[in-house]
Amino acid sequence: RKEVEQDPGPFNVPEGATVAFNCTYSNSASQSFFWYRQDCRKEPKLLMSVYSSGNEDGRFTAQLNRASQYISLLIRDSKLSDSATYLCVVTHSGGYNKLIFGAGTRLAVHP
Amino acid sequence: GAGVSQSPSNKVTEKGKDVELRCDPISGHTALYWYRQSLGQGLEFLIYFQGNSAPDKSGLPSDRFSAERTGGSVSTLTIQRTQQEDSAVYLCASSQQGARTEAFFGQGTRLTVV
Repeated sequence: RKEVEQDPGPFNVPEGATVAFNCTYSNSASQSFFWYRQDCRKEPKLLMSVYSSGNEDGRFTAQLNRASQYISLLIRDSKLSDSATYLCVVTHSGGYNKLIFGAGTRLAVHP
Repeated sequence: GAGVSQSPSNKVTEKGKDVELRCDPISGHTALYWYRQSLGQGLEFLIYFQGNSAPDKSGLPSDRFSAERTGGSVSTLTIQRTQQEDSAVYLCASSQQGARTEAFFGQGTRLTVV
């Protein structure tokens, strides 16, 4: 079983739609959680950190459920520019912070 | 520099040749990661450095792959006797030490083995 699992998609949604991605992780001792965004043929960039209490940044909301070991990302009012691959990232505990990436979920927003 | 710098940006090499990929992390970042991404695939972890030591090199696919980091800064990933399946984008990232620190990626080196 992979340490971080995501639905690969693609999610094809119209502009203005609300879309949600989930990610599950296997290591209950994982400490920190992030969502990264990767555009085609580009490097990944941090979208937002995920805090235990949940956090929001404009149209984006991230939530963490430690009991069920999953993380979610909600995008409201989707824009064409949101089309990208969204990577779930978990830090692996054990004396140092190793970043474990999920394989990513592809989102395609169409007019 | 302002960000993570990788060189070369593109490398075409013949099967069986050795290649060296370079990563210059953000100044002051003690953690450095190498990942590999094949076309249409996710990021595959290769190796993690904390300072000059590599506490986790579990992702190196074979003994043809090695990496070092000197002075707590620049890192070099070496692939010996390259094979066609080594063709991928090799991404380097760096971060400060700490649980909630963001990792910044370089633009990657696109390696093509012909």
